Formats: sequence, structure tokens, C-alpha cells
Amino acid sequence: QVQLVQSGAEVKKPGASVKVSCKTSGYTFTSYYIHWVRQAPGQGLEWMGIINPSGGSTTYAQSFQGRVTITRDTSTSTVFMELSSLRSEDTAVYHCARATVGFDIWGQGTMVTVSS
Amino acid sequence: DIQMTQSPSSLSASVGDRVTITCRASQDIRNDLGWYQQKPGKAPKRLIYAASSLQTGVPSRFSGSGSGTEFTLTISSLQPEDFATYYCLQHDSYPWTFGQGTKVEIK
Repeated sequence: QVQLVQSGAEVKKPGASVKVSCKTSGYTFTSYYIHWVRQAPGQGLEWMGIINPSGGSTTYAQSFQGRVTITRDTSTSTVFMELSSLRSEDTAVYHCARATVGFDIWGQGTMVTVSS
Repeated sequence: DIQMTQSPSSLSASVGDRVTITCRASQDIRNDLGWYQQKPGKAPKRLIYAASSLQTGVPSRFSGSGSGTEFTLTISSLQPEDFATYYCLQHDSYPWTFGQGTKVEIK
């Protein structure tokens, strides 16, 4: 079945970077865009950006421009989201999601905690 | 950016009640809207896509309507497993944007 499986929880210090992976399976990797969405504790959902796994093109939310990089590895059907210059406000659960008329399949989420 | 205004932010209801949640878009998004249910500690789950199409496997008590700028999610008879937070999502143009969420609680 279609699955998006994310890497495990991370704890980082302010100013560091984090790279979260999203391994896909059960479908043709290059046929569906993958997005990243985050959710701070007790807050709503925030769209971060998207990658086209076929050509690797990306679009990012303005609020993350310059700090977020989304990449993919077609050999392992995996998408990566790297967020740099971390601050305490980046503490959140980060989800990858497959796009088909909105999001049909989500990863389980990766908790990233930024703390000194 | 397209702003999605969702209301109410929370509601209390009883099992068997009819519940309606509304999302208003700041500009015309045609029918490029979905509704998602999220339970604590879990990823969101799609209920409705293209404004009114029921996701496979989702109970028929859930329905969506609307187009353009006004959209509604209706739960015809609230069940115990429906107590959760609900979000709308517009995917008409980037950046995709979510409503603020509606928490449905037990009365």
C-alpha cells in the first residue's frame, strides 16, 4: 500500500540545521508531488513547500525562504526537508504529504525540538 | 496569499447532533478545497476533496458543499469517533493555506 515513512524525532540547538526524510513506497515516486507541512504544539497546520520528484523543482512558502531546502533521491524514492538557522519557534511536528487534489496520504510526522 | 477564514474555532455538540463548519476564502478558489480531520498525536486524514467529493472509506455522514469563496463541511449525525479538530485546505494557488481549525468537543 501507499506509505510515507518519516525519520525519527530530533533535538537541535538554536542556530543548527535539521534534515528530515520521507521515504515513499507503494506507488511511482515521480508521479506525485510531495509537500511539507508543519504544526507547532497546540497550533494549526502551516504549509512549507513542495517538490516535484520528477524534475526536482521546488516552491517554498515566503516565510521559510532562504531557510528551507527540499530535495529528493529518486534511487531510494525519498524526499528530504532541511531547515536551517533553527530557533525555538521552529519546534513543531513536520509532516510530508502526497499531493493528489490536496493531500491524500500523509507521513506520520517528525517531532523537531529546538532547545538550548 | 489566499486567506482561509474558518468558523467556528470550536464547538460543543452531543452525539447525534448535526454539525456545520464553514470556510471562507479571500478570493475565488473554484472547488480547490479539501476538508481534513485530525486527532491528537495523529496526522490529518482527508475527508472531502474537490469541495464535495467524499474520500473513499469515509462515512457518508460527512459531506461538503460550496464553490468560489464559501465552503461548508457538514456532519449529519455526530458520532463519538468524530470528536477531533477539522481543517479546510485551499490548493488553488501557492502558497497552499489552511483554515485555523475547528475543535469539535463533547457537550
